[in-house]
Amino acid sequence: GENVEQHPSTLSVQEGDSAVIKCTYSDSASNYFPWYKQELGKRPQLIIDIRSNVGEKKDQRIAVTLNKTAKHFSLHITETQPEDSAVYFCAVAGSSNTGKLIFGQGTTLQVKP
Amino acid sequence: NAGVMQNPRHLVRRRGQEARLRCSPMKGHSHVYWYRQLPEEGLKFMVYLQKENIIDESGMPKERFSAEFPKEGPSILRIQQVVRGDSAAYFCASPTGGNTGELFFGEGSRLTVL
Repeated sequence: GENVEQHPSTLSVQEGDSAVIKCTYSDSASNYFPWYKQELGKRPQLIIDIRSNVGEKKDQRIAVTLNKTAKHFSLHITETQPEDSAVYFCAVAGSSNTGKLIFGQGTTLQVKP
Repeated sequence: NAGVMQNPRHLVRRRGQEARLRCSPMKGHSHVYWYRQLPEEGLKFMVYLQKENIIDESGMPKERFSAEFPKEGPSILRIQQVVRGDSAAYFCASPTGGNTGELFFGEGSRLTVL
């Protein structure tokens, strides 16, 4: 089945710096790549997603890039703020057509004021 | 849109008891996914159901765990004879509709096994 690896597991940046989180996946037929943010004790919430027919997508300070050949995609957060501190999960919807998402292990981002 | 409703939000059980977690998907939707999140870990897929049908149960433990989504009422994740290792947050998710692929998660049910 699909395997999703996420790095780094923890990331600490100064406020205003950029943060980059990377994920690799194994199933070349995967076609949907969302990123979720989870604050402590809360539900995971979608922050941005990308489909396999697009290489890059941006929404204000957040961007996602996809390299289908290399089977990896990345989350970029610019001008980080303390409220960006959370756990971020990448996910992949595989080729099974069930809509099931397979998640990475998560990255704990700490933005220091 | 009330979103995905899960209850109870917190549940405490002693070893050997049964836990029942309930989930109602977004209004007008008939598909739910259950995920388990162990402390400080990621989200692990358990089961995907539509009303009266299990579509994919490849992530369900072989024993003690079962799920159903009856024609009427919420989806239920049932854990029999709970053990300490079952302590986790159990999230239910529903597709948001259209062809987006997005899953909308409920607030989760946090199970503590004493």
